[in-house]
Amino acid sequence: NAGVTQTPKFRILKIGQSMTLQCTQDMNHNYMYWYRQDPGMGLKLIYYSVGAGITDKGEVPNGYNVSRSTTEDFPLRLELAAPSQTSVYFCASSSVGHSIQYFGAGTRLSVL
Amino acid sequence: KNEVEQSPQNLTAQEGEFITINCSYSVGISALHWLQQHPGGGIVSLFMLSSGKKKHGRLIATINIQEKHSSLHITASHPRDSAVYICAVGYNTDKLIFGTGTRLQVFP
Repeated sequence: NAGVTQTPKFRILKIGQSMTLQCTQDMNHNYMYWYRQDPGMGLKLIYYSVGAGITDKGEVPNGYNVSRSTTEDFPLRLELAAPSQTSVYFCASSSVGHSIQYFGAGTRLSVL
Repeated sequence: KNEVEQSPQNLTAQEGEFITINCSYSVGISALHWLQQHPGGGIVSLFMLSSGKKKHGRLIATINIQEKHSSLHITASHPRDSAVYICAVGYNTDKLIFGTGTRLQVFP
């Protein structure tokens, strides 16, 4: 099993560009999460999903969009990238809420 | 205000030392998680606990619900234990609140 797979691993964007961070899991988990990690800060929840077709905002959703059309995939869309979105992004999944979360390897994004 | 406080922020140790990392939280929780972030950036879950104590190899996690405090202990520390250790708590939602992490360096 691959677990949680994120692509790309690194990306540089220009201000105003858009991109999609891909996340897929092969553990048949219902719950999926997107976090961002800034230097010296704890992981912050951007969006999460409790199942296909259901998404909800986390702590820092502005500037991002998500969709969950399948159990396996949970892409994160950045529209009109801004320097404040420079961060490391992690996708995670869990079988149910309040259970062990499995993390992807992360995507390091720079917006210049 | 971060609802999860970890201490210390940084910790250095000699190989073989006993390590303790602390985590305090503000209100009642459903569960507390300890995670490890490797120098390369990957994050793995170590423990999830809601009471008592759990042990896995040289790692021991304890939680005191009344005092709203958890500790992660590493016995016989080794340079490969060098990482950032993160505490996270779950309240009565599906979301976790993360601490800022404790950076541990173990020297040979």
